Amino acid sequence: GAVVSQHPSRVICKSGTSVKIECRSLDFQATTMFWYRQFPKQSLMLMATSNEGSKATYEQGVEKDKFLINHASLTLSTLTVTSAHPEDSSFYICSAETNLAGGDEQFFGPGTRLTVL
Amino acid sequence: GQNIDQPTEMTATEGAIVQINCTYQTSGFNGLFWYQQHAGEAPTFLSYNVLDGLEEKGRFSSFLSRSKGYSYLLLKELQMKDSASYLCAVRGDYKLSFGAGTTVTVRA
Repeated sequence: GAVVSQHPSRVICKSGTSVKIECRSLDFQATTMFWYRQFPKQSLMLMATSNEGSKATYEQGVEKDKFLINHASLTLSTLTVTSAHPEDSSFYICSAETNLAGGDEQFFGPGTRLTVL
Repeated sequence: GQNIDQPTEMTATEGAIVQINCTYQTSGFNGLFWYQQHAGEAPTFLSYNVLDGLEEKGRFSSFLSRSKGYSYLLLKELQMKDSASYLCAVRGDYKLSFGAGTTVTVRA
């Protein structure tokens, strides 16, 4: 149980275009989903916390108008990178939180590798 | 703020034991996690400590001392497939903060 999927796994786009990444919890409902970004040889940096039915909470330094997050249901959150630029190239990972066995645990998706040309 | 420190790299021989230390200073503490991450893949959960002491799970064990802000992950009987990055993460008041990760290389 507790499987999280992401789509697409890899995407290459031209500078100036927008890219949408989907994150789904397949076998559980997640009231909270998280979006992280990871640059090569660096750790995961939290970008935003997404709660179903409400606006996402963005971390300091993350532009909410550039990284649009929609959490329309308890099993789906989307991240749209608008007007992508080469510096947005990164590994984007989502996670979904659930309360299994009495503790809040995050389950991570497989990640999306974004390359902006 | 959150400050989580762990060594950058460690190398060990197949069959040996390696201990990865993690020290942290966080606003609020609601548990410490260890994750394994292979290159280009998402992290996978290894262990969770919220109380002081040792948690053992097969070849992996994790220790926590809340008063010292210290944890370690112990990997026993190392196998080649254990070569990966190991991330220490602390749940603070509302979010999970990650250390930079320790790259473990297992050599034959």
